[in-house]
Amino acid sequence: DAGVTQSPTHLIKTRGQQVTLRCSPISGHKSVSWYQQVLGQGPQFIFQYYEKEERGRGNFPDRFSARQFPNYSSELNVNALLLGDSALYLCASSISHRGWWEQYFGPGTRLTVT
Amino acid sequence: DQQVKQNSPSLSVQEGRISILNCDYTNSMFDYFLWYKKYPAEGPTFLISISSIKDKNEDGRFTVFLNKSAKHLSLHIVPSQPGDSAVYFCAASYDGGASGSRLTFGEGTQLTVNP
Repeated sequence: DAGVTQSPTHLIKTRGQQVTLRCSPISGHKSVSWYQQVLGQGPQFIFQYYEKEERGRGNFPDRFSARQFPNYSSELNVNALLLGDSALYLCASSISHRGWWEQYFGPGTRLTVT
Repeated sequence: DQQVKQNSPSLSVQEGRISILNCDYTNSMFDYFLWYKKYPAEGPTFLISISSIKDKNEDGRFTVFLNKSAKHLSLHIVPSQPGDSAVYFCAASYDGGASGSRLTFGEGTQLTVNP
């Protein structure tokens, strides 16, 4: 079975630009979450979507937005990019396992803002 | 406010010996804990999990122990292999019954297993 896929793999943008990152969950998974990982730190939760509805949002500014499509794939949008947005952006899809939810991560999109 | 902490940035062990990675948390609402392994240029890979109703869970060479009173969990790898060299993240959540839960991660511990 295919795992979580993300595109693009790498991206270079300049300050002030906008970026869209894409994620396809594992087949059968209806929940998608987004995380930001800055070098040397653990991933930080940005958004969670389930059945196309936002179910959770982390401590990120309104420049960050996301959506989930009927096929459960998802997009993360970041407007007015800042240098500090440079990070690895991870997408994870979730499935229930004996009543608990486990998240499986994609390879990430490396965003560099110059 | 770092709710999940991994106090050891790095750990080095010999092949065949035990690796013990530690994690502390402060939020008593956390009821589900996970360990992930991460290689460079890859996403985190799920290793093993434990719910708060248990104090131990085993899966092959990996065992996770949970001490709720101390708000502490540990991952034991026995025997350690060079291929285990990676960054290990501890993660916690408190919405285990909902439709997917946000994970709070620690900072990670770089494990190096020497041949």
